[in-house]
Amino acid sequence: EDQVTQSPEALRLQEGESSSLNCSYTVSGLRGLFWYRQDPGKGPEFLFTLYSAGEEKEKERLKATLTKKESFLHITAPKPEDSATYLCAVRVSGNTGKLIFGQGTTLQVKP
Amino acid sequence: NAGVTQTPKFQVLKTGQSMTLQCAQDMNHNSMYWYRQDPGMGLRLIYYSASEGTTDKGEVPNGYNVSRLNKREFSLRLESAAPSQTSVYFCASTISGTGELFFGEGSRLTVL
Repeated sequence: EDQVTQSPEALRLQEGESSSLNCSYTVSGLRGLFWYRQDPGKGPEFLFTLYSAGEEKEKERLKATLTKKESFLHITAPKPEDSATYLCAVRVSGNTGKLIFGQGTTLQVKP
Repeated sequence: NAGVTQTPKFQVLKTGQSMTLQCAQDMNHNSMYWYRQDPGMGLRLIYYSASEGTTDKGEVPNGYNVSRLNKREFSLRLESAAPSQTSVYFCASTISGTGELFFGEGSRLTVL
């Protein structure tokens, strides 16, 4: 069964304290791994797509990386406005574009 | 540019009542999706429409029906609401072949 697991469930950081979020997956054939950000009361917002092991994408203080079994979202020197829930999702071979989401990691950055 | 618009934003139903959640996108996307989000469960796919005229079941379709009215609109219907359907519902759309989904703001449904 295709599965996506994110850890930790919640993470509290001080402003400027760098850390990483993990997304591990077991799927029959990966056709892309996606990171989303979700603010309270809002819909998820797309951040990155990764397609192959070794690939990296960056956006401001965020960097996403991909291996054959997991992806990391690295947050460098976070600011309070980075506080949100970060969702990981995978697209699997053989389906028609639907995504399987992990449960998310809720990040709180304190000033 | 509105993106993905969902109505209503909030709804309270009694067990057994029916209702329809509406979704419209103005980005000329081919594929549209309905997800539900529950605490600790992440986003789970209810139904999706890969293109106009087609619909398919997702992970949790029981108790729901959908209609792809045209390329812009994709509605979700609860025929006989149950308390287990209390959730936040998100509509999303994308150009075919990508996982870059654009989500609406969500519809918060409570079934008493």
